Amino acid sequence: QVQLKESGPGLVQPSQTLSLTCTVSGFSLTSYNVHWVRQPTGKGLEWMGVIWTGGSTDYNSALKSRLSISRDTSKSQVFLKMNSLQTEDIATYYCARDSGYYYDGTYYPYVMDAWGQGASVTVSS
Amino acid sequence: DTVLTQSPALAVSPGERVTISCRASESVSTLMHWYQQKPGQQPKLLIYLASNLESGVPARFSGSGSGTDFTLTIDPVEADDTATYYCQQSWNDPTFGSGTKLEIK
Repeated sequence: QVQLKESGPGLVQPSQTLSLTCTVSGFSLTSYNVHWVRQPTGKGLEWMGVIWTGGSTDYNSALKSRLSISRDTSKSQVFLKMNSLQTEDIATYYCARDSGYYYDGTYYPYVMDAWGQGASVTVSS
Repeated sequence: DTVLTQSPALAVSPGERVTISCRASESVSTLMHWYQQKPGQQPKLLIYLASNLESGVPARFSGSGSGTDFTLTIDPVEADDTATYYCQQSWNDPTFGSGTKLEIK
């Protein structure tokens, strides 16, 4: 059974660093990519970044200067770190598995077929 | 960034057919996917690559379109379909539409 679960502090002080962990089960991080997506309360979804099966990463250009995604494959964990947090970063943070699909012989990533329940993050002193 | 535009809300009665539209600011070929998010829950993949039904999703859901115009159809609608529906493109760095909130009367 595929599962993803986000964990981390729900409260971060302004200008400090957010650290979240996504613990996965039912699949291997060396076989599936994992994304981070966030959602401010009552608003839409924003893609933050991805860690590929080989360990490389890609980030949303709007967040790239503040964001880092890494992993520990032995623990089946993916990590998100984002610095200089402000009130605009208040959101629910999701990790999601990238199923990737083959169609007519071509591989198409960036399709998120399983999501964690989300971690709510508030920024306040 | 590719901007995806969705109408904000729809209200339909059970048993009716509903179409939810998504327009991209540039062509994304068929690299469009649809998600359902019920209140207080995480998003759930419904349709991938414009028209492919995700495993386990009822056949009442279908998707169509290519280029810049895409549609998610639910036929017939059930009360449990109350949710916000998001489109997402993967032609370049992923972006999501702002969501269409579906109310079942």
